[in-house]
Amino acid sequence: KNEVEQSPQNLTAQEGEFITINCSYSVGISALHWLQQHPGGGIVSLFMLSSGKKKHGRLIATINIQEKHSSLHITASHPRDSAVYICAVSIPGGGADGLTFGKGTHLIIQP
Amino acid sequence: DGGITQSPKYLFRKEGQNVTLSCEQNLNHDAMYWYRQDPGQGLRLIYYSQIVNDFQKGDIAEGYSVSREKKESFPLTVTSAQKNPTAFYLCASSAAAYYEQYFGPGTRLTVT
Repeated sequence: KNEVEQSPQNLTAQEGEFITINCSYSVGISALHWLQQHPGGGIVSLFMLSSGKKKHGRLIATINIQEKHSSLHITASHPRDSAVYICAVSIPGGGADGLTFGKGTHLIIQP
Repeated sequence: DGGITQSPKYLFRKEGQNVTLSCEQNLNHDAMYWYRQDPGQGLRLIYYSQIVNDFQKGDIAEGYSVSREKKESFPLTVTSAQKNPTAFYLCASSAAAYYEQYFGPGTRLTVT
């Protein structure tokens, strides 16, 4: 069974700091997703990637397939980035069985 | 605007009652999913559907039932057999299996 581990579980930083959240998984995957969940509960998909690196605004996601590891970076962090960031993976084959999720990283950016 | 809607946002029920959570999407997506979120745990898959009139059990299907009579709708019924139904329920959809998933705003169910 695939496990998805995220670190750190909680992270508090000052506005402007460079943020890194890590995700490791244990089996082969077809894609990795980074999601953002705000206090109201709604979830937004930030990235879906299967190799290399993607960038959107101040957010950067990287993945190393050989090492089974991905990182989410936030540059010039801002209080509005405060949220829970969730890593999830798609496992190939066997039908659309949804995603396997990490427990999330709770990020607080203080002004 | 295209998207996924879930209603209601908050739902309260007495123990022993069945309750149905609504999920509707106008994205023309084939695949739909139901997840459950509990404090301190990752989301867990309850049921998923790849096409109309077909659905499959996820990791924690016991005590739940679904239907997929229309492409845009995937309601979830939490039955009295579900031992611990209080949770946050999220619906998602994707164009097809293994595509990016879009999530609804969620329904917070409290059973007392």
